[in-house]
Amino acid sequence: KQEVTQIPAALSVPEGENLVLNCSFTDSAIYNLQWFRQDPGKGLTSLLLIQSSQREQTSGRLNASLDKSSGRSTLYIAASQPGDSATYLCAVRTGNTGKLIFGQGTTLQVKP
Amino acid sequence: NAGVTQTPKFQVLKTGQSMTLQCAQDMNHEYMSWYRQDPGMGLRLIHYSVGAGITDQGEVPNGYNVSRSTTEDFPLRLLSAAPSQTSVYFCASSWVASGVNTGELFFGEGSRLTVL
Repeated sequence: KQEVTQIPAALSVPEGENLVLNCSFTDSAIYNLQWFRQDPGKGLTSLLLIQSSQREQTSGRLNASLDKSSGRSTLYIAASQPGDSATYLCAVRTGNTGKLIFGQGTTLQVKP
Repeated sequence: NAGVTQTPKFQVLKTGQSMTLQCAQDMNHEYMSWYRQDPGMGLRLIHYSVGAGITDQGEVPNGYNVSRSTTEDFPLRLLSAAPSQTSVYFCASSWVASGVNTGELFFGEGSRLTVL
């Protein structure tokens, strides 16, 4: 059974720091991996999607990497800002029509 | 540019009542799904559909029914609401991932349900 774990559960950093959020999964047979952002009381916003054949994806200050063999993905946020404060979730897709398995999320607070 | 639209945003029910959460998408996505999000439990899949007329159960389907009569709509029915169904419900959709379709999942804003 696929399980997705995100560590740490919460993170507080001063503004301007570069930071890394971790996501690990138990079964390397994934179709893709997606990172989301969720603000309090809101839905999930897709940040980056990495196909199983890819190693990384970049969007602005965000960079996500994928290592299928080790069952790990990282989300790198450069030069963090208070507006980055949110919960970040990773999810793996088990097939082209398969369900997404979510991690519990990392709640990030960036202090001014 | 509506994307995934859920209604209602908030609902309070009494135990035993029934109701339907509506979900509509305007992106011509084949895949639609319902998740519930609970503190400490994360997001869990309730039901999903890969096209009109096709539905399947997810991780926590008990107490919920779905149907998919059109590509655009995927309603979630609570047959007899229980306090354990108090949660935030999210609808999500994507293209079936193949070729240039990446299977990126798009979420609605959520429906917050309280069952007393």
